[in-house]
Amino acid sequence: AQSVTQPDIHITVSEGASLELRCNYSYGATPYLFWYVQSPGQGLQLLLKYFSGDTLVQGIKGFEAEFKRSQSSFNLRKPSVHWSDAAEYFCAVGPYSGGYNKLIFGAGTRLAVHP
Amino acid sequence: DTAVSQTPKYLVTQMGNDKSIKCEQNLGHDTMYWYKQDSKKFLKIMFSYNNKELIINETVPNRFSPKSPDKAHLNLHINSLELGDSAVYFCASSQERNEQFFGPGTRLTVL
Repeated sequence: AQSVTQPDIHITVSEGASLELRCNYSYGATPYLFWYVQSPGQGLQLLLKYFSGDTLVQGIKGFEAEFKRSQSSFNLRKPSVHWSDAAEYFCAVGPYSGGYNKLIFGAGTRLAVHP
Repeated sequence: DTAVSQTPKYLVTQMGNDKSIKCEQNLGHDTMYWYKQDSKKFLKIMFSYNNKELIINETVPNRFSPKSPDKAHLNLHINSLELGDSAVYFCASSQERNEQFFGPGTRLTVL
């Protein structure tokens, strides 16, 4: 069965520090991979996506993620975190079938940023 | 213009009542979804419609009934509300293999 694991429930970093959020997936074929961010009381906003091609993908707000097939991982990175990045981050796998993605989400990682 | 909108944003009701949540998207997408986010922030798909046709129906109590009058609208009706239905419900839409765009969510509280 498809699944997504985000091993870190809660991460705290200092403003200006680098960030890496981990995501591992289980899926039989090459998945479609997504990172979404949810600010408090808000909906989900797409940060970036991977469908195929270059395994290092750039997203909005200075985020990037790298797809590593051998490790079944799609970790999210940012070189310098801003206080406004404090939010909940969700990794998702989209088994694509019949014209739609059935997204399976990880449990999320809550990011806190210290000034 | 809001891409995916939901009404209401907050819904507080008593156990046993029937309520509806409405969703509209102005992106011209063919597929719409309902997700439930529980108190631990876990997101799980409930339903999906493609061009008004139900294509995903996860293990959801039959008290939940989605309806899609046209491809821009997907409503969720819930009968006989229970305490465990308290959650945030998100609507989303997508076009084929592209990313899903999410609405702002409806926080349902059942007392």
